[in-house]
Amino acid sequence: GAVVSQHPSRVICKSGTSVKIECRSLDFQATTMFWYRQFPKKSLMLMATSNEGSKATYEQGVEKDKFLINHASLTLSTLTVTSAHPEDSSFYICSVWSGESEQFFGPGTRLTVL
Amino acid sequence: DAKTTQPTSMDCAEGRAANLPCNHSTISGNEYVYWYRQIHSQGPQYIIHGLKNNETNEMASLIITEDRKSSTLILPHATLRDTAVYYCIVRVASWANNLFFGTGTRLTVIP
Repeated sequence: GAVVSQHPSRVICKSGTSVKIECRSLDFQATTMFWYRQFPKKSLMLMATSNEGSKATYEQGVEKDKFLINHASLTLSTLTVTSAHPEDSSFYICSVWSGESEQFFGPGTRLTVL
Repeated sequence: DAKTTQPTSMDCAEGRAANLPCNHSTISGNEYVYWYRQIHSQGPQYIIHGLKNNETNEMASLIITEDRKSSTLILPHATLRDTAVYYCIVRVASWANNLFFGTGTRLTVIP
């Protein structure tokens, strides 16, 4: 299946700063990637759909100006959490469709905002 | 909205078969049944999917009832590394569609 990486795996930042998370599809060219968020002991919640070369589509309740998504190439999508606050602390996960009806996920990035 | 219902938690003895049930009584004709699992602090891992026929791969077997209103994921010989949250998801198999994760079943494999 498709191999998806995320960087960094863990990040700790101060409140008010911005954090960029990278999602790479290592062996598959992905026109569409998805970004999920998972709070402790909760299930994954879709944040946005990242489309290569165009604007991302955000789910209801997700602020597009706070969670900036850039899908500049077929193998890279980035999520930038701007002006991070402690309530943004979460596990952020990206995913890619393989093109054969299977979705593959990255290992996740744990963000802690102090 | 989650279109599936799963037990919150299950235990299974190491080496025994783990049978995880899922109800999806409102499944549409063009929707597949997908199973993923998530080991603690990792991204979800694809296990298997099917439409109406039973499926088997190196990880598991998927048994779908004839009316497609329920299914069972079978891990034939559970190991401690199979301890995870297992998600049953129904969706149209289109590349543009995301997956909706419900609460899943927390499987604990006991030594």
